[in-house]
Amino acid sequence: EAGVVQSPRYKIIEKKQPVAFWCNPISGHNTLYWYLQNLGQGPELLIRYENEEAVDDSQLPKDRFSAERLKGVDSTLKIQPAELGDSAVYLCASSLSGDAGNTIYFGEGSWLTVV
Amino acid sequence: KNEVEQSPQNLTAQEGEFITINCSYSVGISALHWLQQHPGGGIVSLFMLSSGKKKHGRLIATINIQEKHSSLHITASHPRDSAVYICAVRYLTGANNLFFGTGTRLTVIP
Repeated sequence: EAGVVQSPRYKIIEKKQPVAFWCNPISGHNTLYWYLQNLGQGPELLIRYENEEAVDDSQLPKDRFSAERLKGVDSTLKIQPAELGDSAVYLCASSLSGDAGNTIYFGEGSWLTVV
Repeated sequence: KNEVEQSPQNLTAQEGEFITINCSYSVGISALHWLQQHPGGGIVSLFMLSSGKKKHGRLIATINIQEKHSSLHITASHPRDSAVYICAVRYLTGANNLFFGTGTRLTVIP
């Protein structure tokens, strides 16, 4: 069974340019997460979806970040315009639901470098 | 302030040694995850605990709910165990999300 798939794996862009990341969760997983991980730090939640609804986006910097999960399956995370401080790993994860009893599965991450 | 604390931050061991990584948290949780992250790779879930102890191969995870503490043990460590091990918790109250520790970087030397 395929795991959580993310693309691109690596992206280098100049500051002020836009960038988008794509995530395909495990089939049947209703809950999808986007996390931000800075070097040497643990991941921090950006947004959590239950199906197509964003149920927690309190940590998403909405001035430049946006996300969507239109059909409740794949999701995209966009940054426009990117800043130097956005250089990080963007991790997508999914689980059957947001309940505590479900394991969360992570993708390999999209590594962003803003120059 | 990160309320999920791990120790040590860095750990170097000789192959074959018994490894212990600790995680403590400050308030009640419904679940605790131990995760493994290799350099350049994604995160793999090792264990999810709400009580007691779990074992998978050479890995053992324990949790003491009263003391708000969990440990991850690796027996007969191997260089391929070299990775960052991350503790994450889901709190009983508040948003139904995971909160992560900063990780423990383990290096096992042959």
